[in-house]
Amino acid sequence: AQSVTQPDIHITVSEGASLELRCNYSYGATPYLFWYVQSPGQGLQLLLKYFSGDTLVQGIKGFEAEFKRSQSSFNLRKPSVHWSDAAEYFCAVASNFGNEKLTFGTGTRLTIIP
Amino acid sequence: DSGVTQTPKHLITATGQRVTLRCSPRSGDLSVYWYQQSLDQGLQFLIQYYNGEERAKGNILERFSAQQFPDLHSELNLSSLELGDSALYFCASSATGGLAYEQYFGPGTRLTVT
Repeated sequence: AQSVTQPDIHITVSEGASLELRCNYSYGATPYLFWYVQSPGQGLQLLLKYFSGDTLVQGIKGFEAEFKRSQSSFNLRKPSVHWSDAAEYFCAVASNFGNEKLTFGTGTRLTIIP
Repeated sequence: DSGVTQTPKHLITATGQRVTLRCSPRSGDLSVYWYQQSLDQGLQFLIQYYNGEERAKGNILERFSAQQFPDLHSELNLSSLELGDSALYFCASSATGGLAYEQYFGPGTRLTVT
């Protein structure tokens, strides 16, 4: 069964600093990987996705993520965070065998300090 | 705005009661997914419908049921409610084919069982 691990429950960074949120997945074949962001009281918004091809994917709001098969990782990065990036971030995986359900990690809460 | 709408936004009810959550997918999307987000279980997939037919089932309790109507809106019915059913319930929708994995989430319905 597919699974996702987000080892960091809570991360605090200063505004303008770089950010990396970790995500490790478990899946037998090449997975479909996603990062979603959830602002307080809001639904989930898709930041970026990886299906195949270039392992470095660009998303919205200046985020990018790199798929590393050897490490079973799909870490999310941003070179310079803004106060508006404070939110909960979820990594998710879907199988590529016709079952499109998303399996989510437990999320990482990002706090931005001035 | 994802284009997915959910009503009501908030719902407070008592144990043992039954409620219905409603979801309207994005225009043209045939798939609807229901997810439950709670503090102890995180984000969990409940069930998927595709063009009116049940397509995949996740960790959905027998007290819960869903359906998708000819106009593609979906309803999630929760009965014999327990305190532990208090959670945020999300609906998501997706298109068909290769884009089926890109799910767009509604703002959620917050259910409080007292």
